[in-house]
Amino acid sequence: ETGVTQTPRHLVMGMTNKKSLKCEQHLGHNAMYWYKQSAKKPLELMFVYNFKEQTENNSVPSRFSPECPNSSHLFLHLHTLQPEDSALYLCASSQGQGATNEKLFFGSGTQLSVL
Amino acid sequence: DQQVKQNSPSLSVQEGRISILNCDYTNSMFDYFLWYKKYPAEGPTFLISISSIKDKNEDGRFTVFLNKSAKHLSLHIVPSQPGDSAVYFCAASARNAGNMLTFGGGTRLMVKP
Repeated sequence: ETGVTQTPRHLVMGMTNKKSLKCEQHLGHNAMYWYKQSAKKPLELMFVYNFKEQTENNSVPSRFSPECPNSSHLFLHLHTLQPEDSALYLCASSQGQGATNEKLFFGSGTQLSVL
Repeated sequence: DQQVKQNSPSLSVQEGRISILNCDYTNSMFDYFLWYKKYPAEGPTFLISISSIKDKNEDGRFTVFLNKSAKHLSLHIVPSQPGDSAVYFCAASARNAGNMLTFGGGTRLMVKP
């Protein structure tokens, strides 16, 4: 148990669907992250929230919309996705973005398939 | 362009022998390096790290070596165990870039009994 919980673990959706991924951390951290892992590619940073404020948007298409209502919860709202968006979406948390020698704690991820 | 590269996508090692996983980086401003381990259907978990002021850090069977002049780090696992079979990601960060982690593509380690 890493202290970061993601739901659902698996999601299959059509290109016209709207769905949301949920992440919750029980570690008392102040920063939360969304990463995308596609097959045979490095982890790609998508969004960062630090103390509920979005601090990074790594040129992510608008069909991905993050929401961070508090430091413990993070959502990724999905709308009109493309098949190439199929990937493992990982949530992570850390003490606070930019802290020296920062370590990330990851959830188990949501395996997304877009048909 | 990838700033952190793991050029070997996979590695197979016999149980009890040494596993050496390699990682190269291009950004000379990176000053903190980490290794993460990932099992299937799970998120990456932190394994070991090293600061640029050191050239070696050891934790049990795991040792990370840093060669700053070559911009190269390696993870040594000895002795390797079947439970070490996983994907290993190298990551690096720089204080002048807000300490955001940049990940390599991963190396799949298979330890055969």
